[in-house]
Amino acid sequence: QQQVKQSPQSLIVQKGGISIINCAYENTAFDYFPWYQQFPGKGPALLIAIRPDVSEKKEGRFTISFNKSAKQFSLHIMDSQPGDSATYFCAASPAPARQLTFGSGTQLTVLP
Amino acid sequence: DAGVIQSPRHEVTEMGQEVTLRCKPISGHNSLFWYRQTMMRGLELLIYFNNNVPIDDSGMPEDRFSAKMPNASFSTLKIQPSEPRDSAVYFCASSLSREWGTGELFFGEGSRLTVL
Repeated sequence: QQQVKQSPQSLIVQKGGISIINCAYENTAFDYFPWYQQFPGKGPALLIAIRPDVSEKKEGRFTISFNKSAKQFSLHIMDSQPGDSATYFCAASPAPARQLTFGSGTQLTVLP
Repeated sequence: DAGVIQSPRHEVTEMGQEVTLRCKPISGHNSLFWYRQTMMRGLELLIYFNNNVPIDDSGMPEDRFSAKMPNASFSTLKIQPSEPRDSAVYFCASSLSREWGTGELFFGEGSRLTVL
């Protein structure tokens, strides 16, 4: 059972544009929702995370929007840069620092 | 801090051979995770240790896979016998469970396994 569904599979945006990646989860026991960024040949690295008690969290150009009733959350990358080109994974966990269930990933390409 | 250290980075072996992947977590972390990444199945959790004790091994594919954590600074993932479908990148990650922490899992750079 795929517990975290992610879309789109790939995304191409122009430099300066907004990148939006969406995720939906099924398990109501999930209580921690991070986004990880992965560059080729590297392990995933935490980008930003949110708990369900808030609807939005912003760190620099990166924003998570969270809709608890719809069981959906999304990542917005403002002013996208070529250096943001990577694979992005949403994830969910019953608590911080616990085992993560990952989405299928979105390969983002930002054109110069 | 050196981060999570995995070895080997690359392993090419023949079907039927034993493969051992190694992981050194970040010092002081109390949770350790083994993940497998493939194009078809994405990032899958294989097993999760807390304080050196296996908590969730439901992701271990079959009896050919085994994982140990003999102490807080070392873990192994063993595949015996290996099969071509085991070809993947295997990641080790560690974290520190604490109420005020970021909850981040720190990943190593992975061990790329190819079984011929």
